[in-house]
Amino acid sequence: GIQVEQSPPDLILQEGANSTLRCNFSDSVNNLQWFHQNPWGQLINLFYIPSGTKQNGRLSATTVATERYSLLYISSSQTTDSGVYFCAVDASGTYKYIFGTGTRLKVLA
Amino acid sequence: KAGVTQTPRYLIKTRGQQVTLSCSPISGHRSVSWYQQTPGQGLQFLFEYFSETQRNKGNFPGRFSGRQFSNSRSEMNVSTLELGDSALYLCASSPHGRAEIKTQYFGPGTRLLVL
Repeated sequence: GIQVEQSPPDLILQEGANSTLRCNFSDSVNNLQWFHQNPWGQLINLFYIPSGTKQNGRLSATTVATERYSLLYISSSQTTDSGVYFCAVDASGTYKYIFGTGTRLKVLA
Repeated sequence: KAGVTQTPRYLIKTRGQQVTLSCSPISGHRSVSWYQQTPGQGLQFLFEYFSETQRNKGNFPGRFSGRQFSNSRSEMNVSTLELGDSALYLCASSPHGRAEIKTQYFGPGTRLLVL
C-alpha cells in the first residue's frame, strides 16, 4: 500500500518564527489533506490540496503531485499553532485516507 | 451548520465486552469514515460508508464492524474487546460530489479504555 512519511517528526520554534513541514508519499494520489490536531485531540482540516498551491492566512500549502510531495508552510508562528500536523493521502478516490505519522510542533512564547 | 458529533465522548469497558459508537455527520454530508488513533499505530483507517454501503475497509479484524443509516448517521461496533482496542475513535464526514470539495471534517472522537 501507499506509504506516507512526514518530516521533521518534532519541531520546536520561538513565537514569530517560520517553518516548513514536508509530506512524501510513495504513489500517485487522488486526494491529499493537511490537518492540525490540537492538544484535546480534535482534528482540524487545514487544506484539501491534491495539487497546486493554496494559502489561508499565515498558512500555505503546496503539493507537487508529479514528484510525490507536499509542503505546509507556517509563518509568524503563534503558541496556538502547537499540536500535531498530519498529512493524509487517498489513492482510491473514495476517502480511504492514509495518514502520515505527523509532525509534533511546539511554539514557545 | 453543526459539526460532526460523536457519542459517547468517553467510555470504559472490560475485556470481552462489546461497544457501539455513534457518529452524526454534518447535515448534507453522505460519506462517513471511521479511524482509530493509538500512540503506537497512529491514525488508521477503519472503514468508509456512503449511502448506507461500505465502500472501503481497512486492515482490521472482523470484530470491528459498522453501518450507516438512511439519514447518514453511522455506528461502529467492536465485539469481544481486547486491551489493544483502547484508542481514540474518530469519525469524519465529507460532502460527496465535485472533486474540489473532498474534504473531511472530523468529530471530537470517542476515547475508549478497555480494562
